[in-house]
Amino acid sequence: SQTIHQWPATLVQPVGSPLSLECTVEGTSNPNLYWYRQAAGRGLQLLFYSVGIGQISSEVPQNLSASRPQDRQFILSSKKLLLSDSGFYLCAWRGAWTEAFFGQGTRLTVV
Amino acid sequence: AQSVTQLGSHVSVSEGALVLLRCNYSSSVPPYLFWYVQYPNQGLQLLLKYTTGATLVKGINGFEAEFKKSETSFHLTKPSAHMSDAAEYFCAVSAILTGGGNKLTFGTGTQLKVEL
Repeated sequence: SQTIHQWPATLVQPVGSPLSLECTVEGTSNPNLYWYRQAAGRGLQLLFYSVGIGQISSEVPQNLSASRPQDRQFILSSKKLLLSDSGFYLCAWRGAWTEAFFGQGTRLTVV
Repeated sequence: AQSVTQLGSHVSVSEGALVLLRCNYSSSVPPYLFWYVQYPNQGLQLLLKYTTGATLVKGINGFEAEFKKSETSFHLTKPSAHMSDAAEYFCAVSAILTGGGNKLTFGTGTQLKVEL
């Protein structure tokens, strides 16, 4: 069966520090991968998606970037965090038109 | 473009009462629709989905939803609420991405509170 791992679960980082969140998927190949950010009362905002290795698309301009160095690995990064980057980040994968499967999320607090 | 509207950011019901969470969608193509549940500080868990076929779909934990094309709705119901149903619920529709692939477009969520 397929599983998705996302870490860390919580993270407190100072303003201006770098960020790296990692997500890996097991049990499937060539998944569509997604990074969402969740803010209270605003639902889930899609940040990045990837349909294959090295293929990254951004949905909204921001201080973050994403990379997909391997088929089942998706990384969310920042060179310098801003206070506004605080939030709950969720990684997800999908097959072609199936439902999305989510990781457990990372609560990022920028101080 | 696809979109989802969830009416009511907070819904409160008594234990044992009917749960009704509303979702309306907009889609230029036949939609795939989903309901997810989220407990605090956790990821989203799929409750149920509609792709094709029977318009009344049953999910986990006694929830069900009915796809009504004429009303562009996909409301979530449960006959009898349980305390453990207290959580946030998200409706979502599949959308096509210009760069290829597809995504789920989510509503803003409905926080369900269950009272004794």
